Amino acid sequence: QQQVKQSPQSLIVQKGGISIINCAYENTAFDYFPWYQQFPGKGPALLIAIRPDVSEKKEGRFTISFNKSAKQFSLHIMDSQPGDSATYFCAASWGYNQGGKLIFGQGTELSVKP
Amino acid sequence: DVKVTQSSRYLVKRTGEKVFLECVQDMDHENMFWYRQDPGLGLRLIYFSYDVKMKEKGDIPEGYSVSREKKERFSLILESASTNQTSMYLCASRGTAGSGANVLTFGAGSRLTVL
Repeated sequence: QQQVKQSPQSLIVQKGGISIINCAYENTAFDYFPWYQQFPGKGPALLIAIRPDVSEKKEGRFTISFNKSAKQFSLHIMDSQPGDSATYFCAASWGYNQGGKLIFGQGTELSVKP
Repeated sequence: DVKVTQSSRYLVKRTGEKVFLECVQDMDHENMFWYRQDPGLGLRLIYFSYDVKMKEKGDIPEGYSVSREKKERFSLILESASTNQTSMYLCASRGTAGSGANVLTFGAGSRLTVL
């Protein structure tokens, strides 16, 4: 019940296309859902996050869609660019503001072809 | 900007050796974490610490220990390294108030190879 399942494991998208990464969870107590982006040779960095009281959050070309009833959330990257090529991790936590731990998905390696 | 610095980027050790991985953060964060990153398995929490001299086990603590003698420093110790501990190790920190409270900030990682 503590798992976060992420798919696909790898993704190849043409420049200008839409990249979509999906995550599913079981624990309905989760109340914070961030996405982290990791470039080669670097540590992961927070990209965007959402709380379950909203169904969508957009920051520039990056959008999180959240479906509470299906216990799924996804990252959409619009107009994908070669500079977006990285590994993306979804995560979930309960009681995050009270020190809750993040549980990460398995990661998706995104490659955007020019 | 919060900086989390892992002193060793690449290490090669032999089976049975004792290994120390050091992590220092410069933003006075209370919380520090050690994760292990393996392809297809994502990031798995080894240990974390909410305060100096405090530590709690994460999801995969077996074969590891930690030390937090000062607030800014969190060390991961492999008492007797084994080949299945070959991995990328990531340290992270997180504050408890203000804008840093929700952001887990990672170091660049330490890639350990055990022969």
